[in-house]
Amino acid sequence: EVQLVESGGGLVQPGGSLRLSCAASGFTFSRYWMHWVRQAPGKGLVWVSRINSDGSSTSYADSVKGRFTISRDNAKNTLYLQMNSLRAEDTAVYYCASSGAIYFDYWGQGTLVTVSS
Amino acid sequence: DIVMTQTPLSLSVTPGQPASISCKSSQSLLHSGGKTYLYWYLQKPGQSPQLLIYEVSNRFSGVPDRFSGSGSGTDFTLKISRVEAEDVGVYYCMQGIQLPLTFGGGTKVEIK
Repeated sequence: EVQLVESGGGLVQPGGSLRLSCAASGFTFSRYWMHWVRQAPGKGLVWVSRINSDGSSTSYADSVKGRFTISRDNAKNTLYLQMNSLRAEDTAVYYCASSGAIYFDYWGQGTLVTVSS
Repeated sequence: DIVMTQTPLSLSVTPGQPASISCKSSQSLLHSGGKTYLYWYLQKPGQSPQLLIYEVSNRFSGVPDRFSGSGSGTDFTLKISRVEAEDVGVYYCMQGIQLPLTFGGGTKVEIK
């Protein structure tokens, strides 16, 4: 059974940092591209970032470029999102999602990030 | 960025009746390789999104056949032939042809 389990969310002050993790199991993680998608409270889905299967290529939404860094450790079957210089507008549930031949075939349960003083 | 526009914003449906959601993209989602990268997701209350339909009309594993997708180019439709209580939630379309990946604003489906 495919499982994606996010962790690392929490309350952080504006300007602070957090690192999210997404532990994958039930599939060959090293063959999949992975993404982060976020959802602000009561709002829709917004794509944040993606990384290719070996970690050599990454892309970001303009709203997080230069502040967020996506990475992965295929030996640990884990995806990461390092979030720096956090702003109030980064408050959201952050989902990791897998992409094999199909975008977002599996999603994690999400982890809530709250940026507030 | 490609803008995805969904209508209606919300839908109230009697169980057993059909429902239809429209999604329009600001640019064609037809790739030069022949595939059209339009996806449909359902986010049930309190849950993560789940994939329903990929590449316009292909049902994902385990998705009931009452769900169907159609369309081409920039105009797409998700149809539920007979709505059931478990179909409530917010439906999102998404384009996968170009970064940034973008979602429609969502259509909330509720049961009458």
